Amino acid sequence: SAVISQKPSRDICQRGTSLTIQCQVDSQVTMMFWYRQQPGQSLTLIATANQGSEATYESGFVIDKFPISRPNLTFSTLTVSNMSPEDSSIYLCSTYRDTDTQYFGPGTRLTVL
Amino acid sequence: KQEVTQIPAALSVPEGENLVLNCSFTDSAIYNLQWFRQDPGKGLTSLLLIQSSQREQTSGRLNASLDKSSGRSTLYIAASQPGDSATYLCAVDITGGFKTIFGAGTRLFVKA
Repeated sequence: SAVISQKPSRDICQRGTSLTIQCQVDSQVTMMFWYRQQPGQSLTLIATANQGSEATYESGFVIDKFPISRPNLTFSTLTVSNMSPEDSSIYLCSTYRDTDTQYFGPGTRLTVL
Repeated sequence: KQEVTQIPAALSVPEGENLVLNCSFTDSAIYNLQWFRQDPGKGLTSLLLIQSSQREQTSGRLNASLDKSSGRSTLYIAASQPGDSATYLCAVDITGGFKTIFGAGTRLFVKA
């Protein structure tokens, strides 16, 4: 299994500000993923983060809004920039191990006022 | 475009009942299928992973089946307990490149 931690676990932010979410994995992994789960909905992949290269964003998500860093093989950050109430969601990071099993962090619950 | 649908959206059962959660997907060319559990306000916990070449996987009181040709998977929970109350999500990896498509989930409530 994989142990993934996220900081912060929750935050309440003002419109127009930015929040950086940290994700730490207990061992080295090649790929890390960032998801968004809007209230009452399922998960949507934001981007894939590989160490040493630019993140790959899914349709509808752009780097200016969701910049991602991947400085080493155990850590990644996702920044939600210039926030609006529509950004209120749970943000989850994820990785794979154990023959394709996907593991998730506990999530960051973001509320934008 | 792959779409994943879960039925029912919500389910309430008395403790001890056996139950089945359904997942369907539109494109049978999947790499694998995974069932997750999500507790309120929490992340996801992997329950079972079925590779495309497999028909079923079992873990304790859980059994998941996969029928690629019909685009269906079921999660069977035996002798349900209040602690099983959670949202259950199925997800398909469509390429083997870790492109996972999630269903909207089934919210399960097991009454004591």
